[in-house]
Amino acid sequence: AQTVTQSQPEMSVQEAETVTLSCTYDTSESNYYLFWYKQPPSRQMILVIRQEAYKQQNATENRFSVNFQKAAKSFSLKISDSQLGDTAMYFCAFMRFSGNTPLVFGKGTRLSVIA
Amino acid sequence: KAGVTQTPRYLIKTRGQQVTLSCSPISGHRSVSWYQQTPGQGLQFLFEYFSETQRNKGNFPGRFSGRQFSNSRSEMNVSTLELGDSALYLCASSREGLAGLGQFFGPGTRLTVL
Repeated sequence: AQTVTQSQPEMSVQEAETVTLSCTYDTSESNYYLFWYKQPPSRQMILVIRQEAYKQQNATENRFSVNFQKAAKSFSLKISDSQLGDTAMYFCAFMRFSGNTPLVFGKGTRLSVIA
Repeated sequence: KAGVTQTPRYLIKTRGQQVTLSCSPISGHRSVSWYQQTPGQGLQFLFEYFSETQRNKGNFPGRFSGRQFSNSRSEMNVSTLELGDSALYLCASSREGLAGLGQFFGPGTRLTVL
């Protein structure tokens, strides 16, 4: 079974600074998808960024980018120019490539952006 | 395009009762998944429905059940509620064949069991 580990339960960052959230996963699959989701205090889970394991290029979405290290099974999220609205729980998630399979989530990292 | 909607947003029940939660997916999304979120266990997969059929099931007791209708709307039911069923129940939808685009979540139903 796949597992996802987020080793930082809580983090804080000053507004406008850069922060990196860590995620490692364990799988024997060679093809899969990885995601970062954001859950603000209002609770709506929002997809931030996604990565296909067969693509070597790291995904980028505006201020959000990932560092995908397939051999190390690491998938970190970098938030540049942090904004107060980035305050949220961030979940790393894994999905098998074959068919519609469930997301496997990490325990989450609570990020606080401080003015 | 409207997002995933869930009703009700909040529910308070007592032990032994049953509850039904509803989820309407994004238009065109035929796969609907349910997750339970608790502070202790995090996000855990309950089940997934596609084309009115349960396609995947997580490790939950039989008290948890669901169904999907022909318009892709889904319901989940929890019978004989226990205190430990208090949680945020999240519904997510995705487009068939495009799982790599991710699942899109509703706001959740907060269930409190007294």
